Amino acid sequence: AQSVTQPDIHITVSEGASLELRCNYSYGATPYLFWYVQSPGQGLQLLLKYFSGDTLVQGIKGFEAEFKRSQSSFNLRKPSVHWSDAAEYFCAVAGAEGGFKTIFGAGTRLFVKA
Amino acid sequence: GAVVSQHPSWVICKSGTSVKIECRSLDFQATTMFWYRQFPKQSLMLMATSNEGSKATYEQGVEKDKFLINHASLTLSTLTVTSAHPEDSSFYICSATSGGRETQYFGPGTRLLVL
Repeated sequence: AQSVTQPDIHITVSEGASLELRCNYSYGATPYLFWYVQSPGQGLQLLLKYFSGDTLVQGIKGFEAEFKRSQSSFNLRKPSVHWSDAAEYFCAVAGAEGGFKTIFGAGTRLFVKA
Repeated sequence: GAVVSQHPSWVICKSGTSVKIECRSLDFQATTMFWYRQFPKQSLMLMATSNEGSKATYEQGVEKDKFLINHASLTLSTLTVTSAHPEDSSFYICSATSGGRETQYFGPGTRLLVL
């Protein structure tokens, strides 16, 4: 069965520090992988996605993610966090095997301290 | 591009009434739309998938007679919560895809509070 695991419920980082949010997935075929960000009371904004090709994907707002098939991971990174990055982050997987239904992880809430 | 809107953004209603939520793709034709609900501090749970001109496909455990979905055009899908009860209070989010179904574009969400 398809699933997404985000091991960290919440993470706190200092402004200016680097960030890595973990995501592991379980999917039979080659997955489409996504990272979304959600501010309180808002919808989801797509940060980046991986379909194929280069395993290091660049997204908006200075985020990047690396697809590692051997580890079934798609971790999100940012070299220097800004206070405005505080939000909820969701990793998601989809693909033909699941009829293109998107399966979301439980989310990781990012807190940024001054 | 790829903007999805939802209306209303929030609604408060009395128990037993019905509430309609609209989801519109503003600058593209959405062949498929999805409806999710999100409880506080939880992830999104897919409720149903709707394709324009056909009946929606509901996820297991979602009552199709309670959550009526209509996808009458390529730019509009509606979710009607019939005979709403307090346990239906939630954040409802729609998304839409065009052509390639891999990438979904999300609406801003509708917060429903049933008193």
